[in-house]
Amino acid sequence: EAGVAQSPRYKIIEKRQSVAFWCNPISGHATLYWYQQILGQGPKLLIQFQNNGVVDDSQLPKDRFSAERLKGVDSTLKIQPAKLEDSAVYLCASSRPNNEQFFGPGTRLTVL
Amino acid sequence: AQSVTQLGSHVSVSEGALVLLRCNYSSSVPPYLFWYVQYPNQGLQLLLKYTSAATLVKGINGFEAEFKKSETSFHLTKPSAHMSDAAEYFCAVDYNQGGKLIFGQGTELSVKP
Repeated sequence: EAGVAQSPRYKIIEKRQSVAFWCNPISGHATLYWYQQILGQGPKLLIQFQNNGVVDDSQLPKDRFSAERLKGVDSTLKIQPAKLEDSAVYLCASSRPNNEQFFGPGTRLTVL
Repeated sequence: AQSVTQLGSHVSVSEGALVLLRCNYSSSVPPYLFWYVQYPNQGLQLLLKYTSAATLVKGINGFEAEFKKSETSFHLTKPSAHMSDAAEYFCAVDYNQGGKLIFGQGTELSVKP
């Protein structure tokens, strides 16, 4: 069974630029999560999808971050415009409802 | 506010020694509890989980954790450390049992030969 796929693995941009991350979950997993992991901290949930609907986006900075999962499968997380403090690893995870979350390798974003 | 506390950002043990990584949660209602391991430049891998069954939970790679409601703790242990155990370990809590994980700040485990 293939794991959670994420791309790109690394991204370097300048502040005020835009960036997008892509995630393809494990086949059959209805629930998809995006986490932000700042260096030296634990992951923080940004948004949780159930199929193509949002379950929780209470910690998503909606003035600059957006996410979508239009067909209930893969998902895109966008930052526009980026700030220095957005430098982090962005992790995608997927699960069957109320079951173990499987994490992808993450995208490391550096904002200069 | 709901939180997870991991005592000690760095723990160093000798190969073959006991590993003890501490985790405390902040709720009077027992939540779901998890331990994850993260190797450099990789995602998180589940070691074990507690979901209101047996209080002593056994996981992969010889790790286990004990849920203690009276202490609101879920400490991770391994009787004998191996060099390959060197990694970052995260305790996570699902307070509402709906999938939203709150992570501790992590404990980096070093294993000395």
